[in-house]
Amino acid sequence: GESVGLHLPTLSVQEGDNSIINCAYSNSASDYFIWYKQESGKGPQFIIDIRSNMDKRQGQRVTVLLNKTVKHLSLQIAATQPGDSAVYFCAENMRGNQGGKLIFGQGTELSVKP
Amino acid sequence: GAVVSQHPSRVICKSGTSVKIECRSLDFQATTMFWYRQFPKQSLMLMATSNEGSKATYEQGVEKDKFLINHASLTLSTLTVTSAHPEDSSFYICSADTPYGGGPVDEQFFGPGTRLTVL
Repeated sequence: GESVGLHLPTLSVQEGDNSIINCAYSNSASDYFIWYKQESGKGPQFIIDIRSNMDKRQGQRVTVLLNKTVKHLSLQIAATQPGDSAVYFCAENMRGNQGGKLIFGQGTELSVKP
Repeated sequence: GAVVSQHPSRVICKSGTSVKIECRSLDFQATTMFWYRQFPKQSLMLMATSNEGSKATYEQGVEKDKFLINHASLTLSTLTVTSAHPEDSSFYICSADTPYGGGPVDEQFFGPGTRLTVL
């Protein structure tokens, strides 16, 4: 079936370095993508989103890139901090007949070394 | 921002009993609520979509008679795990959908999750 997947299950970076988390999606009809951060024992926390009519969007220390040609999404975190340690999920919003439900990727665990 | 709460935050029950989990949107009315299940080190898996006043729509492979969903109002949805077994032990997360995000796509706000342990 349709799914959203990630290339790397774990990522370890040094504090202050930039982090890049990747995601591949399979539904070319998806028109909205979201990155979530999930800390242990908590619900997902919205980080940044991007619509399919854009290829880049920037937030505070985060940038999301969307490449619709290869159905690839990435999250870049600048100057990674220990507080960024968490699991990051991309999610695909399937509108129309799917009623707006989200399909989550497998997740990448980001570990920031001090 | 919009706040979604869940109650209880964690519950331990004996095998064969039923457990009810509540999901509330505290400062907005949710047109739709979603229930997810998450096993350790895994992603969130959508279980069902519920709309206020109508029957929930379950994802393929999710037993509707085991996971009863009631969406009684625009601020409350409940998930009841009936005759729970150890394999039902998981982290259950709800989200609430609101059309008030300002864009064409409804925003979803997630609850903090409920840790269910079935002995």
